[in-house]
Amino acid sequence: NAGVTQTPKFRILKIGQSMTLQCTQDMNHNYMYWYRQDPGMGLKLIYYSVGAGITDKGEVPNGYNVSRSTTEDFPLRLELAAPSQTSVYFCASSYSTEAFFGQGTRLTVV
Amino acid sequence: ILNVEQSPQSLHVQEGDSTNFTCSFPSSNFYALHWYRWETAKSPEALFVMTLNGDEKKKGRISATLNTKEGYSYLYIKGSQPEDSATYLCAFSNTGKLIFGQGTTLQVKP
Repeated sequence: NAGVTQTPKFRILKIGQSMTLQCTQDMNHNYMYWYRQDPGMGLKLIYYSVGAGITDKGEVPNGYNVSRSTTEDFPLRLELAAPSQTSVYFCASSYSTEAFFGQGTRLTVV
Repeated sequence: ILNVEQSPQSLHVQEGDSTNFTCSFPSSNFYALHWYRWETAKSPEALFVMTLNGDEKKKGRISATLNTKEGYSYLYIKGSQPEDSATYLCAFSNTGKLIFGQGTTLQVKP
């Protein structure tokens, strides 16, 4: 039972490049979330999903896109990376109670 | 906009001191209030999830209370130990969203 798995762990992007952060969970959770961690700001919700085929914007969705074609996978797409997207990204899942987090992806945009 | 506020932002205590933190959240459309512990270089881990007004939860030396009518929760740590040093996050959930406060960072000095 792997829990929530994020890949990659680290990535450096150049301004204007695109990439997809992968997130998969094997707990059959219906809820999945993407957060970014900024210093002194805790976790900010980017996008969330309440089930396969359903996604919705969180607090800071601009510059990101998501999809939820299966229960297990919730990829986060960055189009036209900008320095402001330098952050640590966490994926999480839950079955309406406590959330379980992945190990995070540290992204630097230069 | 869902606003979750935590105070204080940081706290330094001596080993053996008892301490508490506050989380305030919207009192309307409440579903659940979560507390997480987040150690440096790790992912957040759930401490408590509370759903009912007046809920009290306890895990070892850590306990939490919930007041949904006035929109606040307290986290208490009795007899703080150096291993309690971490950031403590609260999160408010409703309609599928899970919104975090900015966290309280606790440093316990031996």
